[in-house]
Amino acid sequence: AQSVTQLDSQVPVFEEAPVELRCNYSSSVSVYLFWYVQYPNQGLQLLLKYLSGSTLVKGINGFEAEFNKSQTSFHLRKPSVHISDTAEYFCAVSEIYGGATNKLIFGTGTLLAVQP
Amino acid sequence: GAVVSQHPSWVICKSGTSVKIECRSLDFQATTMFWYRQFPKQSLMLMATSNEGSKATYEQGVEKDKFLINHASLTLSTLTVTSAHPEDSSFYICSARALPGQGTGMTGTEAFFGQGTRLTVV
Repeated sequence: AQSVTQLDSQVPVFEEAPVELRCNYSSSVSVYLFWYVQYPNQGLQLLLKYLSGSTLVKGINGFEAEFNKSQTSFHLRKPSVHISDTAEYFCAVSEIYGGATNKLIFGTGTLLAVQP
Repeated sequence: GAVVSQHPSWVICKSGTSVKIECRSLDFQATTMFWYRQFPKQSLMLMATSNEGSKATYEQGVEKDKFLINHASLTLSTLTVTSAHPEDSSFYICSARALPGQGTGMTGTEAFFGQGTRLTVV
């Protein structure tokens, strides 16, 4: 069974500082990896995804993530955060079976709190 | 593109009544739709997966008779919370996985989310 671990429930950071949100996963088969952002009382918006190819993936709003197969990690990074980046961030995985994908399993989320 | 509309965005109902939540993919066709439940400050818990024209697959511990899911077309799925009770109060979110090839980024792997429905049962 697959699982997703986001070790940090909350990450406080000052505006314009860099940030890394950690995500580790466990799966016995190949996976697709995703990062979503959720603003209060809203649904989830896709930030970026890793399907195959280059392990460094660039997404919207200046975010990027790097897939590390040996460490089963998919950490999210941004070199300089803004107040508007304050939100809940979810890492998710989807297992691949015969080319088709299964359901999305989410981590517990990390609250990025950007302070002025 | 890739817009999922969920309606209503919030609803208050009396205990014992039923509530229907709609999830529509506005500009693409969805092979699969997912329904999640989210408790305050927690992650999304998958309730069920539905494919158009077939019965939904429920996750362990989710009562299929209480949470009725209908996926009548490639653009519409509904979740009906029957005989709602205060413990059913939660934030419900749907997502839709697109058929591949419908537009930029539509690989058939990612899911697009509705804005969620805040259900309060009093």
